[in-house]
Amino acid sequence: DTAVSQTPKYLVTQMGNDKSIKCEQNLGHDTMYWYKQDSKKFLKIMFSYNNKELIINETVPNRFSPKSPDKAHLNLHINSLELGDSAVYFCASSQDAWAVLYTGELFFGEGSRLTVL
Amino acid sequence: KQEVTQIPAALSVPEGENLVLNCSFTDSAIYNLQWFRQDPGKGLTSLLLIQSSQREQTSGRLNASLDKSSGRSTLYIAASQPGDSATYLCAVRFGVNYGQNFVFGPGTRLSVLP
Repeated sequence: DTAVSQTPKYLVTQMGNDKSIKCEQNLGHDTMYWYKQDSKKFLKIMFSYNNKELIINETVPNRFSPKSPDKAHLNLHINSLELGDSAVYFCASSQDAWAVLYTGELFFGEGSRLTVL
Repeated sequence: KQEVTQIPAALSVPEGENLVLNCSFTDSAIYNLQWFRQDPGKGLTSLLLIQSSQREQTSGRLNASLDKSSGRSTLYIAASQPGDSATYLCAVRFGVNYGQNFVFGPGTRLSVLP
């Protein structure tokens, strides 16, 4: 079974549309993350939730809205898509927000490649 | 500004060679440094974690070193195999927090030729 799964894997859409990417982890972890990997391959954190509560909200446009219905799920909704939103979005999870500092155990999904035309 | 760079951007070696990947970071006040592997179309897999008090970590054919004073880390891969072909990313935790200052480098794309 896949530990961290994201859907869809590929998403092609027009500018101005609204889209969502879903993420689920079956590891029983408390903390989940969304990262964005841009065209230059830099991976940057966007959001983190610990047990359904937002703990990291980096400087991202408010068109991006994460939602965590329960601690096993963290979805990313993007409104009014722009060309610059094209990237690969990675979901990740860790046991909790602090244990990962000592263990480095951060589990990533396979990524969702978003292309905005 | 806290930045992580990796050189070279890409590396191609014949099978069996030993090789070194480099990672440099600004700000020597780091908490720890982590090396990841990313296969095409896949997520990242953690390889090695070095705490700021450590000088190196080893796992099988991999050895990672850390020199905080010079702002450098190296990942040494012994007796490379085609299965080692992937992108290797270095990530630095600048401080103890929830992950806001967990900065990734752009990666080195490694190709090991049979």
